Amino acid sequence: GQQLNQSPQSMFIQEGEDVSMNCTSSSIFNTWLWYKQDPGEGPVLLIALYKAGELTSNGRLTAQFGITRKDSFLNISASIPSDVGIYFCAGQGGGADGLTFGKGTHLIIQP
Amino acid sequence: NAGVMQNPRHLVRRRGQEARLRCSPMKGHSHVYWYRQLPEEGLKFMVYLQKENIIDESGMPKERFSAEFPKEGPSILRIQQVVRGDSAAYFCASSRSGYANIQYFGAGTRLSVL
Repeated sequence: GQQLNQSPQSMFIQEGEDVSMNCTSSSIFNTWLWYKQDPGEGPVLLIALYKAGELTSNGRLTAQFGITRKDSFLNISASIPSDVGIYFCAGQGGGADGLTFGKGTHLIIQP
Repeated sequence: NAGVMQNPRHLVRRRGQEARLRCSPMKGHSHVYWYRQLPEEGLKFMVYLQKENIIDESGMPKERFSAEFPKEGPSILRIQQVVRGDSAAYFCASSRSGYANIQYFGAGTRLSVL
């Protein structure tokens, strides 16, 4: 089946620092999505990307859909305490109806 | 995840019992997806349903698991004769239409099998 490699697995940063995480796949996806999950809750959509090369921002978040359609990155600028959580990339397409998720990046912010 | 309602939030079952998880999609959404999440893992797709039809069940275990989305009422994920390995968080998502449409998630049901 399709697999996504998400890195890094965890990040320990200082408040105010910028964050970067990425996902790669051996398969092509038509849509890339980035979700954030807080403990005990479901994933909440942050950014959706529909076209290869697309760069999209949502406040302090910026994400890009790779040209090859096999990768995506998410950047968070000037991190704040409420950014703590698990960030998941997800790909859609390639013949599958469901989303294929990465294993997540745990973001921990040290005051 | 506002709007997708899952219940119960927590469910405890003994081995051999049945578990029924319910999901009401967002208003206006007729497509439902079920995912399973093990600790420290991402979500794994299980099944995709449209009203009264199973569209894709490629992620469903072959035995003991079933799903339905009747014309009236919520979607149900049913696990018969639960085993300890079924302990996980089960998430439902809904979308307005299929393929390439944004999926919005509920808060999940955490199943614990004793």
